[in-house]
Amino acid sequence: DAKTTQPPSMDCAEGRAANLPCNHSTISGNEYVYWYRQIHSQGPQYIIHGLKNNETNEMASLIITEDRKSSTLILPHATLRDTAVYYCIVRALITGANSKLTFGKGITLSVRP
Amino acid sequence: DAGVTQSPTHLIKTRGQQVTLRCSPKSGHDTVSWYQQALGQGPQFIFQYYEEEERQRGNFPDRFSGHQFPNYSSELNVNALLLGDSALYLCASSLSVGTGEHQPQHFGDGTRLSIL
Repeated sequence: DAKTTQPPSMDCAEGRAANLPCNHSTISGNEYVYWYRQIHSQGPQYIIHGLKNNETNEMASLIITEDRKSSTLILPHATLRDTAVYYCIVRALITGANSKLTFGKGITLSVRP
Repeated sequence: DAGVTQSPTHLIKTRGQQVTLRCSPKSGHDTVSWYQQALGQGPQFIFQYYEEEERQRGNFPDRFSGHQFPNYSSELNVNALLLGDSALYLCASSLSVGTGEHQPQHFGDGTRLSIL
């Protein structure tokens, strides 16, 4: 079972920041927070991951609370192409293996013009 | 640089038949994972192959089997197809641990399998 909780949907206006919340209150010390998104009719796309520090790349920023029980994915300037299902995933670090991803139902982000 | 490619894109089978799906990993990747995604659900992990061996397996019956070839490409085989096997089958590739424990998995666009 997924170890994360996300609201089912949210929307935002084009050009504004989209802040997508995720709760992972049972996260363990060796587990990372990953975000993927899935645009209709495509496979999931990797966005970003982090352990405890905030992370930023060309796609998004990831803010993880100090107690690591929740996080927020920030798309700084949402466009219509960002409309997708966004999955927050807690992923264990397994020595010697590339560990599996456990997906929940995700949050559907709708960006409106 | 080609990403993960899967074939075919769509497939229709009838109950009881067998099916083989194929996946070519992203250039430089050596690990392949397979996922099943039912309509309206998130992907569910089936199994993972590395060095031509199954390394991890999810909660799927033995009707689901796989193979990895020396060039790292992979096949997913499903026997005795059931109506409930209708889904999008996704392949994800990644680098093995050793070049960095946390390597993101990169997905193809999947094979849509419909069982009649």
